Amino acid sequence: AQSVTQLDSQVPVFEEAPVELRCNYSSSVSVYLFWYVQYPNQGLQLLLKYLSGSTLVKGINGFEAEFNKSQTSFHLRKPSVHISDTAEYFCAVSRSGGYNKLIFGAGTRLAVHP
Amino acid sequence: ETGVTQSPTHLIKTRGQQVTLRCSSQSGHNTVSWYQQALGQGPQFIFQYYREEENGRGNFPPRFSGLQFPNYSSELNVNALELDDSALYLCASSLDTANTGELFFGEGSRLTVL
Repeated sequence: AQSVTQLDSQVPVFEEAPVELRCNYSSSVSVYLFWYVQYPNQGLQLLLKYLSGSTLVKGINGFEAEFNKSQTSFHLRKPSVHISDTAEYFCAVSRSGGYNKLIFGAGTRLAVHP
Repeated sequence: ETGVTQSPTHLIKTRGQQVTLRCSSQSGHNTVSWYQQALGQGPQFIFQYYREEENGRGNFPPRFSGLQFPNYSSELNVNALELDDSALYLCASSLDTANTGELFFGEGSRLTVL
């Protein structure tokens, strides 16, 4: 079975500052990794995904994440955040080669202040 | 290209009642998944439908059931509602069952059970 731990429930940050949202996973098999964003009263939108290959993955809105197999981590980063990045961010994992069953973390609330 | 649409957006039921939630998948997508998102938590996988057949199920009791129609739209039915069923129910569609693709989420149906 797979599991996901998002280490911070809330991350406050000032506008234009860098941010890192942390995600660790547990799995006995190979996995795919995802970050989704949820804006208020909306569904989830995919930011980026790691399937294979380069461990540094770039996504939409200037976000990137690095897959670290030895540390079983997939941290999300952005060098300079905007007010519009305020949202809930979810890390998710699925078993590679399996069907689309995503296991989500509990989420991290990113609050960007002016 | 239309996105994933869900109905109703909000509804209130009482314990013991039954509810049906509906989802229209994104154009061209043949796979639909349902997730339950309790307040302050990440989404949890309920089940997935591919070509009108259930092909994956999470840890939910049999009173959670579903259907997929020939046009790939889907329904989630919950019988004998319990207070803990109060949550946001998310539908997601994708092109196939392989989890290398992106899941496109609707905005959800918020169910309150009194």
